[in-house]
Amino acid sequence: KAGVTQTPRYLIKTRGQQVTLSCSPISGHRSVSWYQQTPGQGLQFLFEYFSETQRNKGNFPGRFSGRQFSNSRSEMNVSTLELGDSALYLCASSLDLGRANTEAFFGQGTRLTVV
Amino acid sequence: GNSVTQMEGPVTLSEEAFLTINCTYTATGYPSLFWYVQYPGEGLQLLLKATKADDKGSNKGFEATYRKETTSFHLEKGSVQVSDSAVYFCALSALRGTGNQFYFGTGTSLTVIP
Repeated sequence: KAGVTQTPRYLIKTRGQQVTLSCSPISGHRSVSWYQQTPGQGLQFLFEYFSETQRNKGNFPGRFSGRQFSNSRSEMNVSTLELGDSALYLCASSLDLGRANTEAFFGQGTRLTVV
Repeated sequence: GNSVTQMEGPVTLSEEAFLTINCTYTATGYPSLFWYVQYPGEGLQLLLKATKADDKGSNKGFEATYRKETTSFHLEKGSVQVSDSAVYFCALSALRGTGNQFYFGTGTSLTVIP
């Protein structure tokens, strides 16, 4: 079956702009999580959605937001972009992360560069 | 709180050498433990997992045992290949609110030379 699909793969934006990233989870998966990966901070949790509801949120400013649609596809939005937002944004899907032993399946990520 | 600490890299080994990447964790409750691998330009791929104490996860010659007494989940492989060159992440999954959250180590870069 198809894996997690993230679009676009690469993005270049200017400071102050906003950006929307998309994630299509594996068919049947209802949980979608987002992570920011940078060389300095590693992988940092942004938020998790399950059945269109945000279940958990990491320690990121309100400029970072997300949503999930009824078909489990998810988008994340970053407004007023800053240079420090340059990172690889990874989406992960899971059947239900409400169970501790459920693995997450990751997409290839969206590489965002803010100039 | 929950956290994962893994050995600093980079690690460089010759082909067929023995690999160990150390990982220790701090967790409340009963987490599941995972090793993920990331190849250049790619996302993370699940390498193996263990869901309870003394479980051994294994895949593609890699192994790791969930040691509750030492809070460790060290990754081992008896004979590495050039194709094993990648970044390896240790992670735990723990309940948070009504859902789960993954906590990742900082990653260990492995380069295997012929």
